[in-house]
Amino acid sequence: DAKTTQPTSMDCAEGRAANLPCNHSTISGNEYVYWYRQIHSQGPQYIIHGLKNNETNEMASLIITEDRKSSTLILPHATLRDTAVYYCIVRVLGGTSYGKLTFGQGTILTVHP
Amino acid sequence: AAGVIQSPRHLIKEKRETATLKCYPIPRHDTVYWYQQGPGQDPQFLISFYEKMQSDKGSIPDRFSAQQFSDYHSELNMSSLELGDSALYFCASSLGRGLNTEAFFGQGTRLTVV
Repeated sequence: DAKTTQPTSMDCAEGRAANLPCNHSTISGNEYVYWYRQIHSQGPQYIIHGLKNNETNEMASLIITEDRKSSTLILPHATLRDTAVYYCIVRVLGGTSYGKLTFGQGTILTVHP
Repeated sequence: AAGVIQSPRHLIKEKRETATLKCYPIPRHDTVYWYQQGPGQDPQFLISFYEKMQSDKGSIPDRFSAQQFSDYHSELNMSSLELGDSALYFCASSLGRGLNTEAFFGQGTRLTVV
């Protein structure tokens, strides 16, 4: 599976943009980047995903570099309720994988007043 | 909108007992994933099913088995429970198993083995 690397933790002030980076230098051409978050023992929540183009939805924006070796999740106006563990996942198809989502160490984002 | 339903939400079992966890996917979703999350750990993939057939297999112990039924709900059967099986168990569902399909998670079952 393509490995991802994320900062262990980040802080953000309420109302400011939160930019969460992710490195995935071994990503293959047909593999998607997914972002999930988990708020204190709740089920992981889907945020956004993309292949190579930047994506935006009501929750966040995903910026993928042209070489696809890294990406950034942007929460435009962070609130206290955005405090969570954020997981960057590269979804793999091939070998023995039919697209399972493999969670690695995510980023603990703390939004403070 | 309908979400993934897991039951029960909490379960307490004794060592060596068996447990069955149930997952009801979002309507029309044909793919189900099971995850285990121990205290302070990240979710670990156990197994998945697509159209009632096993799809991916992860670090699922031999004591555990799972299946997906004709109505697409899934059950995770756990036997000879050990203290280390105490964890949150999440189920997720998606429409199809391709790379461009979002998977949505349920709220989990908290299993405590005493």
